[in-house]
Amino acid sequence: DTGVSQNPRHKITKRGQNVTFRCDPISEHNRLYWYRQTLGQGPEFLTYFQNEAQLEKSRLLSDRFSAERPKGSFSTLEIQRTEQGDSAMYLCASSLGASRSLEQYFGPGTRLTVT
Amino acid sequence: DAKTTQPNSMESNEEEPVHLPCNHSTISGTDYIHWYRQLPSQGPEYVIHGLTSNVNNRMASLAIAEDRKSSTLILHRATLRDAAVYYCILQKTGANNLFFGTGTRLTVIP
Repeated sequence: DTGVSQNPRHKITKRGQNVTFRCDPISEHNRLYWYRQTLGQGPEFLTYFQNEAQLEKSRLLSDRFSAERPKGSFSTLEIQRTEQGDSAMYLCASSLGASRSLEQYFGPGTRLTVT
Repeated sequence: DAKTTQPNSMESNEEEPVHLPCNHSTISGTDYIHWYRQLPSQGPEYVIHGLTSNVNNRMASLAIAEDRKSSTLILHRATLRDAAVYYCILQKTGANNLFFGTGTRLTVIP
């Protein structure tokens, strides 16, 4: 399968713990995006990378959130000191360069539950 | 970002055409109109996009009003696998992210 993959698919953690999610984009895509989706709502943009550079961050991305894409391939999203309000589906998407940025391909998401 | 308005839900009978409307009265000249859909327990899936002219692809057709203040996604023959939430999104040229609303939940009746 050559689509976007995310691991783990589900994560249950206790409040205050740190969690890290991984996203592997489609191999030739140089743009990578993270979104968050809560129940009944559409996805909300968090941040985006072009190659290894993080070029845009949403106001939703608090100081407890950090994302990296060290070699311009896979990306990780870490949440420190998780709170119950962080419970959501975290979605990763990728796209080709600027001329094709309109089509984003999404992974299946990582569902985070903070207890 | 320009806002879109969609009905919360719609129903369609299987094998009949479905017309999903979207209003975007504040659209600007450089905004692209996108449609994505999200099947249960999956990430969103690109359906189609357009700027001014109507567009067709293997999944659907996009009809854009002449004044661009509204558009309609057309599924020519709804199947049970088309049951999903459909999002109409405006994206400015060069913008790097998508602003999803709450979309239209399509139910397909066998």
